[in-house]
This record gives sequence, structure tokens and C-alpha cells, in this order.
Amino acid sequence: KNEVEQSPQNLTAQEGEFITINCSYSVGISALHWLQQHPGGGIVSLFMLSSGKKKHGRLIATINIQEKHSSLHITASHPRDSAVYICAVSSPLFGNEKLTFGTGTRLTIIP
Amino acid sequence: NAGVTQTPKFQVLKTGQSMTLQCAQDMNHNSMYWYRQDPGMGLRLIYYSASEGTTDKGEVPNGYNVSRLNKREFSLRLESAAPSQTSVYFCASNLLAGESYEQYFGPGTRLTVT
Repeated sequence: KNEVEQSPQNLTAQEGEFITINCSYSVGISALHWLQQHPGGGIVSLFMLSSGKKKHGRLIATINIQEKHSSLHITASHPRDSAVYICAVSSPLFGNEKLTFGTGTRLTIIP
Repeated sequence: NAGVTQTPKFQVLKTGQSMTLQCAQDMNHNSMYWYRQDPGMGLRLIYYSASEGTTDKGEVPNGYNVSRLNKREFSLRLESAAPSQTSVYFCASNLLAGESYEQYFGPGTRLTVT
């Protein structure tokens, strides 16, 4: 199945580095979501976007609808950014209110 | 505003035992969800409720039942637990059925079935 693929699966970087996490999907979507899962297990929504780019603090999310691809960037990474980042899509194929999730990218930032 | 709450946080069951996972939201959301999260796999939808009194099966509904008695609460029941149901369970809510909105997640329940 794998309608949503993320890369890399694991990423380790030094504090201060620029981070990019990629998400590709294979279905027509109404929106793409980026979520963050903390080491303690809690999941929070970071972005929901259907076109262009969104920015919140040091996090930037972009989407290219034609290429069915999205990226999540973190500038000036910090150890507190260490988490699993999850990409998910909502599609009229499955019902816009339902999400199909990728398997996540585990990010570790070393001080 | 507590958001989405779940109880219990942890549970150990023996094979064949039953239990109910409770979920409540105080954001006046219409849609509620139950997911399971297993190592190496993305979150998978077990059941979904678009509104009070309505429920729909998700991707992995076998072995589970749900109940949406009112707008706030959505419970997940395991009638006869199996080791394959060892997982972390998340409840989530969403403002409106039929549209894509940000989902709000509960803290999760870690269930082990021995």
C-alpha cells in the first residue's frame, strides 16, 4: 500500500544544522499534515497545508502538488527538536477527515 | 481546556480479558478517532466517528468495538484481548466531518497483552 513514504527513516545531526525531512505521496490529496511525536509519546500537529509554504518559528513546510512531494525544514536545529516527525495526508479517496500516515522520521540532534 | 484526554495511560491484560479505553474531548469537535501505533508502522485507523451516534470502521477494526454515546466521549472496547493487540492506542478529534482539519491527539494508552 504505502500511499505515504518518508525519508530518511532516521536522521542524526549536530546542533545548529539545517534539517530536511521528505514526504512523498501517491494519491490526490486535499491537505498534507506534518506532526511531531515527542520522546514521551505525545503527538502534536505542526502544519496543515494544501499549497505553497508555511512557516512557524524555525520550522518551514513546503508542498509541491504536481510532484506529490512535501518537505519539512528545521533551521538552527536544537536538541529539543529531537522527536519523530510524521507526514500524513487527507484525500477525498478515503474521506477528507481521515488521515493516512507515513511511518515517521526519527530525528536526533546532538549538542 | 484539557483538549483530548485518555484513560488509562498503561494497561496489562491477559489473553482473553476485556477492557474499555476511554477518550474525551472538550473542544466541541464533531469527529473522533481511534488509532493504534505499532513499531515500524504508521498510525492506523481502527474506528472513526463523524458525529454523536455514528461510527465507521477504519483500516484495522477486527477485535474492537466502539461507542460514541455523546459528543464528548468515544470509547474503544476489546472484548477478548489477544497478544496481537499489544500496541499504543491514540484517540484524536477533529472539528468537522467531511473536511480536512488539524487533528488533536490524546496522550496515548500503552497496552500489553500477555
